Amino acid sequence: GQQVMQIPQYQHVQEGEDFTTYCNSSTTLSNIQWYKQRPGGHPVFLIQLVKSGEVKKQKRLTFQFGEAKKNSSLHITATQTTDVGTYFCAGDSNTGNQFYFGTGTSLTVIP
Amino acid sequence: DGGITQSPKYLFRKEGQNVTLSCEQNLNHDAMYWYRQDPGQGLRLIYYSQIVNDFQKGDIAEGYSVSREKKESFPLTVTSAQKNPTAFYLCASSIGNLYNEQFFGPGTRLTVL
Repeated sequence: GQQVMQIPQYQHVQEGEDFTTYCNSSTTLSNIQWYKQRPGGHPVFLIQLVKSGEVKKQKRLTFQFGEAKKNSSLHITATQTTDVGTYFCAGDSNTGNQFYFGTGTSLTVIP
Repeated sequence: DGGITQSPKYLFRKEGQNVTLSCEQNLNHDAMYWYRQDPGQGLRLIYYSQIVNDFQKGDIAEGYSVSREKKESFPLTVTSAQKNPTAFYLCASSIGNLYNEQFFGPGTRLTVL
């Protein structure tokens, strides 16, 4: 079945360092979405990428969608303590009517 | 205030009992979803509904049932057939096409004793 894996599973960084999480799907995705879940909270939508090779920026966050539409990345420049949380990628397969979340990357920022 | 509400926040049940989790939205969204989240794992789709009176199984529908009698409401019943029901359950909704940007409720943490 469909699998969406993310690496790393956990990442601890010093405040001010950069952070990247990578998302890989076993099948082609029609689009990719990114969500952030704060500890004890619920996922909050960050962005959606649709086109092959697309890059979008939101302040310190940069999102990329791979050329083959099977992978994606989220890069945070100069992390802050407010960036703490788990980042999930998610997408629906080209071949079916299902939606899959990635395994998530938990980010800890050390002040 | 517009949004999605789930109640209760914490729920305890004895093994063998069915339990229904509530999800209500006043965003006028057509699509609604139920996910299950376990520690160290991503969200897994249980059921989704694109319109009233229609719903489809997600990846892990066994042991669960839903109904969609009203646009605003999408209750989830965790039946005694669900082998490992203790988890964090999240309801979401989206506007327009299936799987557009999803808005999540605060979740219900179910513990089966």
